[in-house]
Amino acid sequence: AQSVTQLDSQVPVFEEAPVELRCNYSSSVSVYLFWYVQYPNQGLQLLLKYLSGSTLVKGINGFEAEFNKSQTSFHLRKPSVHISDTAEYFCAVRANAGGTSYGKLTFGQGTILTVHP
Amino acid sequence: DVKVTQSSRYLVKRTGEKVFLECVQDMDHENMFWYRQDPGLGLRLIYFSYDVKMKEKGDIPEGYSVSREKKERFSLILESASTNQTSMYLCASRQDVSEAFFGQGTRLTVV
Repeated sequence: AQSVTQLDSQVPVFEEAPVELRCNYSSSVSVYLFWYVQYPNQGLQLLLKYLSGSTLVKGINGFEAEFNKSQTSFHLRKPSVHISDTAEYFCAVRANAGGTSYGKLTFGQGTILTVHP
Repeated sequence: DVKVTQSSRYLVKRTGEKVFLECVQDMDHENMFWYRQDPGLGLRLIYFSYDVKMKEKGDIPEGYSVSREKKERFSLILESASTNQTSMYLCASRQDVSEAFFGQGTRLTVV
């Protein structure tokens, strides 16, 4: 079984400040990791993904995330946020080996990022 | 660009009605998924399908069924809608190890 915990349900921040959205996961096998963003009344859009290779992953809109296998974390960061980054962010994990979890994408509870002027 | 299209953005149905939510993808993806999204709970997997006529239960399949007669289309069926099925429903498709692509969502209200 696999699970994802997003440690903050809401993160308020001022414009141009840095932000970190935290994500921890648990899995008995190796995983792929994803961050998605959802703007109001829209579907989910991929921000970035970790499949293999470098543990620092860069995505769209200036976001990046670092895979830390020993701490089973995949925190999302942005050095300077904009008003337009206000949205809900979801961390997700999928097993990359065979078994009952193969193919299944498991999501965290979501973090609402609100950027204030 | 991959396109995943859900047939309705908003639906209002009465308790006990049979409800069909349709999803079509245009990229020949093998895998398709139905999730429901509720505040504070994130996305929870209802059913997924890895091939035509193949389906597997997700984490919360009770009260739902699915149909995949063609590769591009994956339907979610609420056999007898209840008020606790009021939610946002999201369809997704994926090929191999790539990321999942999502539709715009259907906000279903059962009254």
